[in-house]
Amino acid sequence: ILNVEQSPQSLHVQEGDSTNFTCSFPSSNFYALHWYRWETAKSPEALFVMTLNGDEKKKGQISATLNTKEGYSYLYIKGSQPEDSATYLCAFGDFNKFYFGSGTKLNVKP
Amino acid sequence: NAGVTQTPKFQVLKTGQSMTLQCAQDMNHNSMYWYRQDPGMGLRLIYYSASEGTTDKGEVPNGYNVSRLNKREFSLRLESAAPSQTSVYFCASRALGDTDTQYFGPGTRLTVL
Repeated sequence: ILNVEQSPQSLHVQEGDSTNFTCSFPSSNFYALHWYRWETAKSPEALFVMTLNGDEKKKGQISATLNTKEGYSYLYIKGSQPEDSATYLCAFGDFNKFYFGSGTKLNVKP
Repeated sequence: NAGVTQTPKFQVLKTGQSMTLQCAQDMNHNSMYWYRQDPGMGLRLIYYSASEGTTDKGEVPNGYNVSRLNKREFSLRLESAAPSQTSVYFCASRALGDTDTQYFGPGTRLTVL
């Protein structure tokens, strides 16, 4: 079983704050790194797929970076809004399956 | 285009009862997956099917069986339910290829008394 770790486990910020989370994964045999956004009582929704070292992806105020050599990815949210409150999951993907981290739960207070 | 659908949405079972969770996708994806979600543990893979006609164990397969009925459908069976199987179950599908994302169904909330 491949170990994917996310930190912190939870985060409480005020509206307007910028924040970031970390996903750590094995640096050998890298295929792809996936970020998902998971709202309570819903199913996970894909944010980004990252494949190349140095990749940077952006969707609105959310961006992610990838370092495959050292085995980490950062997710940044600029100017958090209450609607950004969710659990953010990362997954290390190989050809057949994904290995999910346990997620970072973000709570943005108005 | 419904994506990934799951039935039922909710189910309550007594210990020892059996049931099958159904999953179907209309995206012509090759791979399908069953996960369970428990508090503080993220998503854990139960079984997956990389392509029609194949199934493989994931991280937590004990107590479950699966059937890849055809390319669209992948079912998960609990033969003798136990309280430890109380969880939310998600089905997902993915196109062939190592960078293609997984698309998730809405989940089935199962309670075993």
